[in-house]
Amino acid sequence: GAVVSQHPSWVICKSGTSVKIECRSLDFQATTMFWYRQFPKQSLMLMATSNEGSKATYEQGVEKDKFLINHASLTLSTLTVTSAHPEDSSFYICSARDEVAGGLSYEQYFGPGTRLTVT
Amino acid sequence: GDSVTQMEGPVTLSEEAFLTINCTYTATGYPSLFWYVQYPGEGLQLLLKATKADDKGSNKGFEATYRKETTSFHLEKGSVQVSDSAVYFCALSGLGGFKTIFGAGTRLFVKA
Repeated sequence: GAVVSQHPSWVICKSGTSVKIECRSLDFQATTMFWYRQFPKQSLMLMATSNEGSKATYEQGVEKDKFLINHASLTLSTLTVTSAHPEDSSFYICSARDEVAGGLSYEQYFGPGTRLTVT
Repeated sequence: GDSVTQMEGPVTLSEEAFLTINCTYTATGYPSLFWYVQYPGEGLQLLLKATKADDKGSNKGFEATYRKETTSFHLEKGSVQVSDSAVYFCALSGLGGFKTIFGAGTRLFVKA
């Protein structure tokens, strides 16, 4: 089945630094990937839709200058948390559709998540 | 707007008990419906899905039926195991683009 990987799986950084999280579709191409944020014991909050070769579409209330998204290839999207602060600590999850095998299916394949802790 | 409402947890059951997790949705069109499962410290995995009314999705002993008349997609399993302990998310997609809307999640604990 389709596999999505994320790297790193966890990261600790100091306040004020930037952190980059990678999301890769390993065995399929994805022109669209999604980035979610999940707080402890809560649901997933869609942050943005990452579009290959064009700008990401951010959800209302998400700071685009804070959370930079780059989708440079059909298998890679990156989320950079800039000038991180403790309140950015969270579990970040990406997902993608297998647009070829999946056709019009709306099923998403999720990465394993990245736990970010900002000290 | 479009939304998903699922029963609050946590749900605590003994092994071999019957499980029901209720899920209802509000949608302006005809979405696809999903149940995803999240094990501790991991991302989400698709558990089952249904794409149209009266479809029944099933996997690993879990099943859910797409009920358009009651706008529901309740998850059931006849006999739960300790390994089923996880958080279960009901979700919908297919309403303008490929965004997925998730319910709040229901945490299930199964005791041996």
